Amino acid sequence: SQQGEEDPQALSIQEGENATMNCSYKTSINNLQWYRQNSGRGLVHLILIRSNEREKHSGRLRVTLDTSKKSSSLLITASRAADTASYFCATNSGGSNYKLTFGKGTLLTVNP
Amino acid sequence: KAGVTQTPRYLIKTRGQQVTLSCSPISGHRSVSWYQQTPGQGLQFLFEYFSETQRNKGNFPGRFSGRQFSNSRSEMNVSTLELGDSALYLCASSLLPGPKETQYFGPGTRLLVL
Repeated sequence: SQQGEEDPQALSIQEGENATMNCSYKTSINNLQWYRQNSGRGLVHLILIRSNEREKHSGRLRVTLDTSKKSSSLLITASRAADTASYFCATNSGGSNYKLTFGKGTLLTVNP
Repeated sequence: KAGVTQTPRYLIKTRGQQVTLSCSPISGHRSVSWYQQTPGQGLQFLFEYFSETQRNKGNFPGRFSGRQFSNSRSEMNVSTLELGDSALYLCASSLLPGPKETQYFGPGTRLLVL
């Protein structure tokens, strides 16, 4: 079953613009992670934010987490054509039954 | 440090056959997880191994099985293949199991069942 739901499903922007993707989830989490996938290849880990954190930065990436609303957002600033990919949020509920539960992803297209 | 490697990268099988996929984790990583990715269901957790023991299993039929060797390499097997098993199978490794660990993914094995 899908835990995270990304919004929008697809996003098309011009190079240099910012891209914002949102993720909502249903149950309490230990942490939330964002991954990137280029054209059906493996997943690349972008950033992990723990449940007691509200915001985290990594280069051009900014992730926020609102546990009261069970939502997270990923902001990519000054986007580049190379950022074109699918972006997934994955939640980790912790405990002994450790696994990542992924959303269906946002397909980001950055036009040069 | 080399990343997670998966072999083969592409595979074509026919219904009823069985298939074995292999995953070599990042050196030093002892936990391996497997995921199935399809356009319809997205990314779904299959199972997780640590110290040659299956710690966690997703909601898949018994045709899907796996194992982990003493060097942390892992294999997954799918028997009596069905058309719906066509998917990208992704392996991920982490130093240890648990919610605080980042999982690093391999490039995947794309399986096509005809």
